[in-house]
Amino acid sequence: QKEVEQDPGPLSVPEGAIVSLNCTYSNSAFQYFMWYRQYSRKGPELLMYTYSSGNKEDGRFTAQVDKSSKYISLFIRDSQPSDSATYLCAMSAPPGGGNKLTFGTGTQLKVEL
Amino acid sequence: AAGVIQSPRHLIKEKRETATLKCYPIPRHDTVYWYQQGPGQDPQFLISFYEKMQSDKGSIPDRFSAQQFSDYHSELNMSSLELGDSALYFCASSSPGQLAKNIQYFGAGTRLSVL
Repeated sequence: QKEVEQDPGPLSVPEGAIVSLNCTYSNSAFQYFMWYRQYSRKGPELLMYTYSSGNKEDGRFTAQVDKSSKYISLFIRDSQPSDSATYLCAMSAPPGGGNKLTFGTGTQLKVEL
Repeated sequence: AAGVIQSPRHLIKEKRETATLKCYPIPRHDTVYWYQQGPGQDPQFLISFYEKMQSDKGSIPDRFSAQQFSDYHSELNMSSLELGDSALYFCASSSPGQLAKNIQYFGAGTRLSVL
């Protein structure tokens, strides 16, 4: 079983919809949580990062971490066709786990006109 | 703003050949990470360097080696290439600091095709 589980989708939504992307994890040592957006054949682009439990908002994006449930979410409000991409959650477990990122498998999102 | 630069963008090699991938981190970033992403898969951590010393090692084959140079750029050397080495190879960098170390910025990747 993978340390980080993520629904691969694909997820198709109409423009303007609220999108919810989720990851669960099993390693309780994870402390830093990130969301990356990856367009086809491109490198992952950092969207959000959070430390510990709580919410963090940046424009149309909200990241949520619930360490007690080992569950993280990314919400996208007013989704746009340009949001169509694969969204990867990633986590790290310093100091003992180093700073390497453990990724989910990614959720493919398509926002349709 | 300057980003992580990787070269080459595309590389085609034959089995048993050698390949060298280069990574130039964001200025003032002192840590470099290498990841391998197979088709339809998530990136898998290979190796990282902090201040020119290896800091962590993941599932990197013995046929691969890497180093970080005095100007902080890094090279991933891959020998005796196999078909299964065909993948996207990403380099990421992070800046000094306890929190910042966990925030990694990725390059556009090198697509390696082994024929």
